[in-house]
Amino acid sequence: AQSVTQPDIHITVSEGASLELRCNYSYGATPYLFWYVQSPGQGLQLLLKYFSGDTLVQGIKGFEAEFKRSQSSFNLRKPSVHWSDAAEYFCAVVDQTGANNLFFGTGTRLTVIP
Amino acid sequence: DGGITQSPKYLFRKEGQNVTLSCEQNLNHDAMYWYRQDPGQGLRLIYYSQIVNDFQKGDIAEGYSVSREKKESFPLTVTSAQKNPTAFYLCASTPRGKSIKVGNQPQHFGDGTRLSIL
Repeated sequence: AQSVTQPDIHITVSEGASLELRCNYSYGATPYLFWYVQSPGQGLQLLLKYFSGDTLVQGIKGFEAEFKRSQSSFNLRKPSVHWSDAAEYFCAVVDQTGANNLFFGTGTRLTVIP
Repeated sequence: DGGITQSPKYLFRKEGQNVTLSCEQNLNHDAMYWYRQDPGQGLRLIYYSQIVNDFQKGDIAEGYSVSREKKESFPLTVTSAQKNPTAFYLCASTPRGKSIKVGNQPQHFGDGTRLSIL
């Protein structure tokens, strides 16, 4: 069965520092992977997605993610964090067995220190 | 602009009362979803519908009901059987439906409804 693990519940970084949020997935074939961001009291906004091809994926707001099949990982990165990046981040994988639903990780909350 | 509208933003329920959360989309999407979000648990799927007049249970459907009479609407009813309804509820949609095999269409989300018990 598909699943997603986000091992870091909460991360704190200083503004201007680099960021890496971890995501590990469990899926037998090539996964379809997403990163979403959620501001407090809001819905989820898609940051980027991976289906196939180039393993380094560029997204909105300066984010990127790298798919590593050997490590079953899809970590999200940003070279320089802005205060407005403070939010909760969710990694998700598509259930390709027929329903095409999303399985979400439990999320990582990002705090940015001025 | 196209999007997903959830209403109300905040909702209160009395014990033993059913309440209905609205979700409307004007994106012409086939599939729609309801998720429940609790702190530290991410999003859990309640119900989903890939086509009008058809819907399936997700992982936590007990105590909830849905209908899909129109393509653009997918209301969720939280029944009195749901013993712990306090949560943030998110509705989503995607272009894919039963006719689209490959699930590579991202889901678009509404801004959510926060349900609390009085």
